[in-house]
Amino acid sequence: GENVEQHPSTLSVQEGDSAVIKCTYSDSASNYFPWYKQELGKRPQLIIDIRSNVGEKKDQRIAVTLNKTAKHFSLHITETQPEDSAVYFCAAPQRSNDYKLSFGAGTTVTVRA
Amino acid sequence: DGGITQSPKYLFRKEGQNVTLSCEQNLNHDAMYWYRQDPGQGLRLIYYSQIVNDFQKGDIAEGYSVSREKKESFPLTVTSAQKNPTAFYLCASSRGPGAEQYFGPGTRLTVT
Repeated sequence: GENVEQHPSTLSVQEGDSAVIKCTYSDSASNYFPWYKQELGKRPQLIIDIRSNVGEKKDQRIAVTLNKTAKHFSLHITETQPEDSAVYFCAAPQRSNDYKLSFGAGTTVTVRA
Repeated sequence: DGGITQSPKYLFRKEGQNVTLSCEQNLNHDAMYWYRQDPGQGLRLIYYSQIVNDFQKGDIAEGYSVSREKKESFPLTVTSAQKNPTAFYLCASSRGPGAEQYFGPGTRLTVT
């Protein structure tokens, strides 16, 4: 199936700094790329997604960029706050089947006060 | 919390026993999913269902079975054939393909 690699596995940032997480995928036909956030002990929740017809999408302090040529997409969090501390997962559909998502292994983000 | 529930929160079983995990949604979603989450591995798809009375294998279906007799319900049975059943199991639902998946709170299964 789709192979999604996510880096880094852990990320520690000072409050107010930016955090960037990068994912690469293998299926060039993939066209939907969601990001989920999972706080400790809670369920994953969608925070932003991007489709292949755009290169960037923003929602307040969160942005996602997509480079289809290089087959990678990134999550950018600006002005980080303590509540941004969580595990973040990227995902991409397998073989153009949008029901079957492959998830990255996750990035544990810690925001230091 | 998104209208999708899982029970129980914690489940303990002995090796060799089958166990069924419950997942119910009141979001009127057609699609439902089961994932397994292990430390450092992200979420892996076990089974998914596009519509009632239909389901498809995911990436790690061996040792698991599901049914989708009602739109609201998608129970997962972990059979004794599953070699490493101890894990955190997450159920999700969505309106359809490429739509946001809403996750349940999860069931932590421990088999000894």
